[in-house]
Amino acid sequence: QQPVQSPQAVILREGEDAVINCSSSKALYSVHWYRQKHGEAPVFLMILLKGGEQKGHDKISASFNEKKQQSSLYLTASQLSYSGTYFCGTEGETSGSRLTFGEGTQLTVNP
Amino acid sequence: DTGVSQDPRHKITKRGQNVTFRCDPISEHNRLYWYRQTLGQGPEFLTYFQNEAQLEKSRLLSDRFSAERPKGSFSTLEIQRTEQGDSAMYLCATGQGSRQRAFFGQGTRLTVV
Repeated sequence: QQPVQSPQAVILREGEDAVINCSSSKALYSVHWYRQKHGEAPVFLMILLKGGEQKGHDKISASFNEKKQQSSLYLTASQLSYSGTYFCGTEGETSGSRLTFGEGTQLTVNP
Repeated sequence: DTGVSQDPRHKITKRGQNVTFRCDPISEHNRLYWYRQTLGQGPEFLTYFQNEAQLEKSRLLSDRFSAERPKGSFSTLEIQRTEQGDSAMYLCATGQGSRQRAFFGQGTRLTVV
């Protein structure tokens, strides 16, 4: 089953924070976050493995709550370059490493 | 450039024609995935290979679609008798295994007219 992302879209001013959520109805092995700009390939941001860890680099971090099968992506002090569509891709415990992607969250950062 | 390479980047074809796309993976990656992405949607899984073995095919992959990875290196995706509904971006991704990041190619955008 496809994970559910929320919100579908968010508009920020530069410097503001945002949270994007990803929720699955099945047991997850890992959650992968990607950002895609229009007409380009998805770019890997980070991967979270079963175990409830939190990861981050620069001003983008993420958490994975394995009990709730939920992951959240945190963008702090947003920059114009953060604009794009964010996808979570989930790997189930029996899915053989293929990813099932959500419908995406469109993030727009304005000056 | 040692990333995932896809060819062609764009393809316009008439309905009913056959098309073939190629994906060249990062050399040490044994897993190769094909996804399809339509406007406003996330990538949808089509099929994946571990080395030359095709281990899984999505129900989305009709009989008109076939993929190969003959020597465990590059892969091809062929669509026979194309339909307008096949218009999409076809993405190839490669990786080294479960719970490892996947590297996406730039995609092949197919337009069926």
